[in-house]
Amino acid sequence: DGGITQSPKYLFRKEGQNVTLSCEQNLNHDAMYWYRQDPGQGLRLIYYSQIVNDFQKGDIAEGYSVSREKKESFPLTVTSAQKNPTAFYLCASSMNLRGTDYGYTFGSGTRLTVV
Amino acid sequence: KQEVTQIPAALSVPEGENLVLNCSFTDSAIYNLQWFRQDPGKGLTSLLLIQSSQREQTSGRLNASLDKSSGRSTLYIAASQPGDSATYLCAVELNFGNEKLTFGTGTRLTIIP
Repeated sequence: DGGITQSPKYLFRKEGQNVTLSCEQNLNHDAMYWYRQDPGQGLRLIYYSQIVNDFQKGDIAEGYSVSREKKESFPLTVTSAQKNPTAFYLCASSMNLRGTDYGYTFGSGTRLTVV
Repeated sequence: KQEVTQIPAALSVPEGENLVLNCSFTDSAIYNLQWFRQDPGKGLTSLLLIQSSQREQTSGRLNASLDKSSGRSTLYIAASQPGDSATYLCAVELNFGNEKLTFGTGTRLTIIP
């Protein structure tokens, strides 16, 4: 089955720690995205990548970092500089950057909690 | 800046009824509009994608319409079932120079058996 796998499903972080969220896709999609979802708010774009070794900041990139060393993988690191990291994080992919004719595929999400 | 609004935030209807969910956007220069479904604690499932040149799309009991000039889209669900209970999100992609989705905050739908 083709799809996007996010791990772990739940993650707890102590204040001051960096944590990395995994996102892997076997859809052969070129573009990948990271979104953050908070209660009562729409999804907000953190980072996106169109091709390997290239990525762009989204609307709320501060305190986050990404890499795209392989087409299949787009890990997100939540750094200690992110002031309010507790949220639900969603990874997505699309055939091309616009995701137009083919739409977007989302992973099942990682819930990050700072303790 | 594109803003997407979904009203109401929550809706409860008896099983079997037809219903309409609303989505409005401020910038009519959109490339496409998509409707997604999200179950509690889960990711998003794509339901329908409407290109800017289209007026509507249908999939099973779902029909989505688009009126770009008025900045509105509706998602019509026929013969609602308890399994339709979820949060429904709409998202738009702008026409030029902005290859990303702007999401609404969603409508939480509950179908009462």
